[in-house]
Formats: sequence, C-alpha cells, structure tokens
Amino acid sequence: GAGVSQSPRYKVAKRGQDVALRCDPISGHVSLFWYQQALGQGPEFLTYFQNEAQLDKSGLPSDRFFAERPEGSVSTLKIQRTQQEDSAVYLCASSLREGSYNEQFFGPGTRLTVL
Amino acid sequence: LAKTTQPISMDSYEGQEVNITCSHNNIATNDYITWYQQFPSQGPRFIIQGYKTKVTNEVASLFIPADRKSSTLSLPRVSLSDTAVYYCLVGDMGKAAGNKLTFGGGTRVLVKP
Repeated sequence: GAGVSQSPRYKVAKRGQDVALRCDPISGHVSLFWYQQALGQGPEFLTYFQNEAQLDKSGLPSDRFFAERPEGSVSTLKIQRTQQEDSAVYLCASSLREGSYNEQFFGPGTRLTVL
Repeated sequence: LAKTTQPISMDSYEGQEVNITCSHNNIATNDYITWYQQFPSQGPRFIIQGYKTKVTNEVASLFIPADRKSSTLSLPRVSLSDTAVYYCLVGDMGKAAGNKLTFGGGTRVLVKP
C-alpha cells in the first residue's frame, strides 16, 4: 500500500539491549515525526525531520535515544541500553509539507516491550 | 502552544450524533484546530481541521465559534466502528519546527449497540 509502514510491529528486548525501529514514510513526504505512546495515553512527540535534517529533537527522553533519516526518506529510531520505562508503542508519521499541523499520516506503530 | 481541554470519555448509541467539545482559551491568531481519531492498535488518523466557523467533510463537522476559544467535533449517526479516542490539537500550521503536536489524553468515545 501507499501508507506509512513500520517494522518490526512488535519487539521484545531484554533490559540493556539496543533496538532499532524502522519507518518507511509515504514517498515524497517532506516531514517525518516520531512519537512515543504509553498505554492509555496520547502520543508524545519525540523528534521531527524535514527531509534529512533533524530540526527538532527536544522530545527525545535521554541520550540513549537517537534518530536518523540520512537520505530524507526511511528513518530509524535507535534506543541504546533499553530500560523498562522505554516500553511503549513508537509511532512514526509523515506529512507532505513542513510543519506539524499539516495532516500527518501515521504508521501502525512498533510495540516495544523491555523485560 | 495553546492548551486544550476535552472530556475524558463519552458514551453513545448507534445512530446518534456525538458532539465532543474542546476548550482552548489561549488559542493564538495563527492557530488552527485539528482533530485526530485513534482506534486501538493503530496510529492516529486525521479527521478534520478548521480555523473558524464551520467545516464539514465526509466524516465529521467542526464548529468553531467566533471567539475560537472552543470547538466542537460532531460525528453524525455514529456506528460501533466509531468507537475510538478523539484528540483535539491546536497549533500554527505555518511553523516548521518547535511547534510539535501535543495530543493530550483525548476523549474516549464508546458507541454501544
């Protein structure tokens, strides 16, 4: 399909392991966003890319979190030395234009469980 | 960023109209009002966006009074499949960065048979 895809859909990690979550945005979309959603809560912003430039990473909770979008399309969110509090659904969204308030298209998310 | 307040939950029945009101008292001149819908185990989905008065699409209507300090999302004749969480967001469409979407807790709508 032509939507945003994310992989893996589910990931179980032991505490201390590194994980990498992938996002394939809609082709041609300039903006890409990562969000973290804890159970029963709304999504919380992590970081924003405009093409390959990471313009806002203010939502990343610690220096263990790192995101990249080297060619302005696919993005990877990496979490080093995972902790139990990192357990959440990680959502990726893309948007045709710059800015957060233009319509964002979300992927299904990756559910991360840290044991 | 304008803070939004919306009810935590609402129950309705199939075929009824559901109206969710969101308060945003400190909305700025350049801010737009956007609503997203989220089903369990899915990412949010854009429903509707407006600046003032009324906006209608095939899914919903959005009513915004003249002072823009609140807005109401109206879902006509809901079905069981409209059971979801609905988020109201307010922000400036023109800003490229430093203007992140803030979802809040949303309103959980349960449609009963």
